[in-house]
Amino acid sequence: QVQLQESGPGLVKPSETLSLTCTVSGGSISSYYWSWIRQPAGKGLEWIGRIYTSGSTNYNPSLKSRVTMSVDTSKNQFSLKLSSVTAADTAVYYCARDLSTLGYGMDVWGQGTTVTVSS
Amino acid sequence: DIQMTQSPSTLSASVGDRVTITCRASQSISSWLAWYQQKPGKAPKLLIYKASSLESGVPSRFSGSGSGTEFTLTISSLQPDDFATYYCQQYNSYAAFGQGTKVEIK
Repeated sequence: QVQLQESGPGLVKPSETLSLTCTVSGGSISSYYWSWIRQPAGKGLEWIGRIYTSGSTNYNPSLKSRVTMSVDTSKNQFSLKLSSVTAADTAVYYCARDLSTLGYGMDVWGQGTTVTVSS
Repeated sequence: DIQMTQSPSTLSASVGDRVTITCRASQSISSWLAWYQQKPGKAPKLLIYKASSLESGVPSRFSGSGSGTEFTLTISSLQPDDFATYYCQQYNSYAAFGQGTKVEIK
């Protein structure tokens, strides 16, 4: 079955760019939307945005000015970049397969990766 | 933007209890609503999609209902494995989550 794995630096300095990659295994990345979601410690889930395998993107308006997503279908990977980070961006970051446009919600999630913003 | 509001924020219940969680949308989302269960240190797990459709493998004690702006998640008989935090998520317009409802042991 499809599995997702997030990877990237666990520590990012303030004002720098957070970069994460999600690797899809056990299935093809093609023809689906893929979302990024984050969760600060002890708080709720925040949708960051999603990317289709064509490269089409939708971002949360509250983060749109700082977010860039990309996809590499040859590697079965998609990526997140969040610029100008502050301590408020410290969170567990999840990637997920997003079947919303098919009516199903987010059915497969990565285990999450913790990113801390600190100097 | 569509805002999602869950109530209550915390719910204390006992094994065997019937539990209901409410989720309200700031505008109509038709039936484009999902429910997730999250346990500490784990990723969320999809329980319900399209407001009332049970995800494969999810026990039948979980059910969802509603449309438009008001939705409910019901656990018919709470089991020890059900103590967790539950989130609703609209996908009528991109995505937005409710703030979560923690179901704790009474």
